[in-house]
Amino acid sequence: DSGVTQTPKHLITATGQRVTLRCSPRSGDLSVYWYQQSLDQGLQFLIQYYNGEERAKGNILERFSAQQFPDLHSELNLSSLELGDSALYFCASSVESHSDQPQHFGDGTRLSIL
Amino acid sequence: AQKVTQAQTEISVVEKEDVTLDCVYETRDTTYYLFWYKQPPSGELVFLIRRNSFDEQNEISGRYSWNFQKSTSSFNFTITASQVVDSAVYFCALSEAGGGADGLTFGKGTHLIIQP
Repeated sequence: DSGVTQTPKHLITATGQRVTLRCSPRSGDLSVYWYQQSLDQGLQFLIQYYNGEERAKGNILERFSAQQFPDLHSELNLSSLELGDSALYFCASSVESHSDQPQHFGDGTRLSIL
Repeated sequence: AQKVTQAQTEISVVEKEDVTLDCVYETRDTTYYLFWYKQPPSGELVFLIRRNSFDEQNEISGRYSWNFQKSTSSFNFTITASQVVDSAVYFCALSEAGGGADGLTFGKGTHLIIQP
């Protein structure tokens, strides 16, 4: 158990809809990362937050947004969903916001777009 | 831009054999960090090891060992006396100290199948 909690585990929705994925980092971790894992793109970094502030952006679509709240949990919002958004979405956390920090991953949220 | 290549898409061996998973990386930074993660069939990603670019010492942890060679930009992972429980997808990943983004760049992964 990594200590990172993601909810829900599975999500099934339709094209055009909007969903919110939630992540609680490990106790004491200030940095949260979001990744997308799909068959064609592999594991891709989306966005990072550190202590409530956006720290870095990766390959995140404009339809996607995220935030980190004062209690350090984070939410990833996906809107105008398309079939290609079907993927496993991971949240990871680390103590600080440095590239040498190991990131500890949650179990992921599997999103299926019908 | 950074890149990680895991050329072996799938490896299948019989239990108790040794197996090496290859990882080749590209980066312009002189300071960077390399990681290995394991993704078992249950789907979670498990952190295995971190190595920084200034430490070329090989590391051994039980049946696992890692060989880091800057000269060939490789960070290979060997499992000795493999077991069925080692069956998983293994990912090599890279982060750069000066890249501005602290997200990991992952390789495509190697699916390791250990047959009993």
